[in-house]
Amino acid sequence: AQSVAQPEDQVNVAEGNPLTVKCTYSVSGNPYLFWYVQYPNRGLQFLLKYITGDNLVKGSYGFEAEFNKSQTSFHLKKPSALVSDSALYFCAVRGEYNFNKFYFGSGTKLNVKP
Amino acid sequence: NAGVTQTPKFQVLKTGQSMTLQCAQDMNHNSMYWYRQDPGMGLRLIYYSASEGTTDKGEVPNGYNVSRLNKREFSLRLESAAPSQTSVYFCASRSTATNEKLFFGSGTQLSVL
Repeated sequence: AQSVAQPEDQVNVAEGNPLTVKCTYSVSGNPYLFWYVQYPNRGLQFLLKYITGDNLVKGSYGFEAEFNKSQTSFHLKKPSALVSDSALYFCAVRGEYNFNKFYFGSGTKLNVKP
Repeated sequence: NAGVTQTPKFQVLKTGQSMTLQCAQDMNHNSMYWYRQDPGMGLRLIYYSASEGTTDKGEVPNGYNVSRLNKREFSLRLESAAPSQTSVYFCASRSTATNEKLFFGSGTQLSVL
């Protein structure tokens, strides 16, 4: 079965510093991986996806994610954090055999301090 | 451009009461979803509809029913609410053409006392 894990409930980083939010996945075939962001009292918003191709995927708001097949990881990164990046971040994987199903991680709260 | 619209935004029910959460999308998407969000558990899929006229169970369907009324609308019904159904509910939609991206509504915060 496919699943994603986000090992950190919370990540704290100072404004201007690089940030990483971790995600590992489990699928037996080719992974279709996603990152979403949720601001307070809002629905989730798409940030980026990995389907195939380059291991470094660029997305919205200056975020990027690095796909590592050998480590089964898809970590979200940003070179310089902003206070406005503070939000809840979710990693997700598309169902391997049922393309209509998407499975989400438990979420990581990112706190960016001024 | 409204996107995905959910109503109501907040609801308080007593145990045993019933209610329907409404969801509509104006993007002509084929697939629609209902998720629930609980602290520390992320989003869990309740039901989904791959196309108009079809519905399928997700990870946590017990205690819920759904109706895909037409291509735009996908409702979620709680027939006899239980405290364990206290959660934030999100509706989402997706085009199955080429775009894997899910579009989410702003959520319904439901408390069952």
